[in-house]
Amino acid sequence: AQTVTQSQPEMSVQEAETVTLSCTYDTSENNYYLFWYKQPPSRQMILVIRQEAYKQQNATENRFSVNFQKAAKSFSLKISDSQLGDTAMYFCAFMNPLESRGANSKLTFGKGITLSVRP
Amino acid sequence: NAGVTQTPKFRILKIGQSMTLQCAQDMNHNYMYWYRQDPGMGLKLIYYSVGAGITDKGEVPNGYNVSRSTTEDFPLRLELAAPSQTSVYFCASSPGLAADTQYFGPGTRLTVL
Repeated sequence: AQTVTQSQPEMSVQEAETVTLSCTYDTSENNYYLFWYKQPPSRQMILVIRQEAYKQQNATENRFSVNFQKAAKSFSLKISDSQLGDTAMYFCAFMNPLESRGANSKLTFGKGITLSVRP
Repeated sequence: NAGVTQTPKFRILKIGQSMTLQCAQDMNHNYMYWYRQDPGMGLKLIYYSVGAGITDKGEVPNGYNVSRSTTEDFPLRLELAAPSQTSVYFCASSPGLAADTQYFGPGTRLTVL
């Protein structure tokens, strides 16, 4: 079974600065997908960024980028030029893409980290 | 496209009551999921469906039932509500391949008293 660990319960960053959110995971699989989701006060889960394990290049989406260290099973999210709208809970998630009537297609989530951006 | 919609947004139930949480998507996605999120925790999978007429249990299925008669709709039924079912419920969908990104609805906050 896969596990996802987010050891920091909360972080705070000054507007316009950079912050890194940590995530580690445990799996015996070689091919898998990793995600960061954002959950603002509206509660809707919003995909921030996705990384395929077979790709060595770190994924980037505008101000969001990841540091994917496969050997260390680490998947951190870097937010550059933090904005007030980035204030939210952030979840790291793991997915095993094996097609097995969907049994392994479920997302395994970490407990999340609350990020506050200060004006 | 409205994406994934959920109704109601909030609900309070008494112990032993039953209700159905509605979920619909207009993206023609084959895969649909129900998750629950307890305070301070990540989401846990309750049930999922890989297509109309096909459903299967996730991690925490006890106390719930689902059906999938159409591609668009995936209702979650709570029978004999218990305080342990107080949670926020999220519905999600994905196009088909297991590795596809899941799109989430806005959630339903359920309190059982």
